[in-house]
Amino acid sequence: DSGVTQTPKHLITATGQRVTLRCSPRSGDLSVYWYQQSLDQGLQFLIQYYNGEERAKGNILERFSAQQFPDLHSELNLSSLELGDSALYFCASNGGINTGELFFGEGSRLTVL
Amino acid sequence: DQQVKQNSPSLSVQEGRISILNCDYTNSMFDYFLWYKKYPAEGPTFLISISSIKDKNEDGRFTVFLNKSAKHLSLHIVPSQPGDSAVYFCAALMNYGGSQGNLIFGKGTKLSVKP
Repeated sequence: DSGVTQTPKHLITATGQRVTLRCSPRSGDLSVYWYQQSLDQGLQFLIQYYNGEERAKGNILERFSAQQFPDLHSELNLSSLELGDSALYFCASNGGINTGELFFGEGSRLTVL
Repeated sequence: DQQVKQNSPSLSVQEGRISILNCDYTNSMFDYFLWYKKYPAEGPTFLISISSIKDKNEDGRFTVFLNKSAKHLSLHIVPSQPGDSAVYFCAALMNYGGSQGNLIFGKGTKLSVKP
């Protein structure tokens, strides 16, 4: 158990819809990261927050947005969903130490039909 | 443009033998290289890392070797155990002026250790 909690674990929705994925980081961790893993792809970095502020952005689509709340939990909002958005979405956290060691949640599997 | 490449999608090894997983990278500015292991229905878990100023790091059965001139790293697992069967991701980190950068992952290699 990494201590990172993601909900929901599975989500099935239709094209054009909007969903919100939620992440609670490990206790004490200030940094939250979102990654997307599509079929046969590695983990693609989407966005990072540190203590409520956006720290870095990766290949995140304009239809996607995220935020980190004062209690440090984070939400990833995906809108105008397309079939290609079907993927595993992972949240990870760490204390901000720059060695690359992240603690990942179990992921949220999104299926867009 | 893939900066971190794992060219072998899968590897099968007999229990007790050595497993060698390979990874190539293109950017010489990476500060750290890491290996993550992922079991089905679980998130990736950190396994071992190496700083770009080192050429070897060992932790129990796991050793990572870094060859900077070849821009290549490898993970050795000796001896391999059935419980090591998982997908292994190579990742690289570049920090920017003291601020933490972000991990760039390869596509993974699925290791199967047969009893």
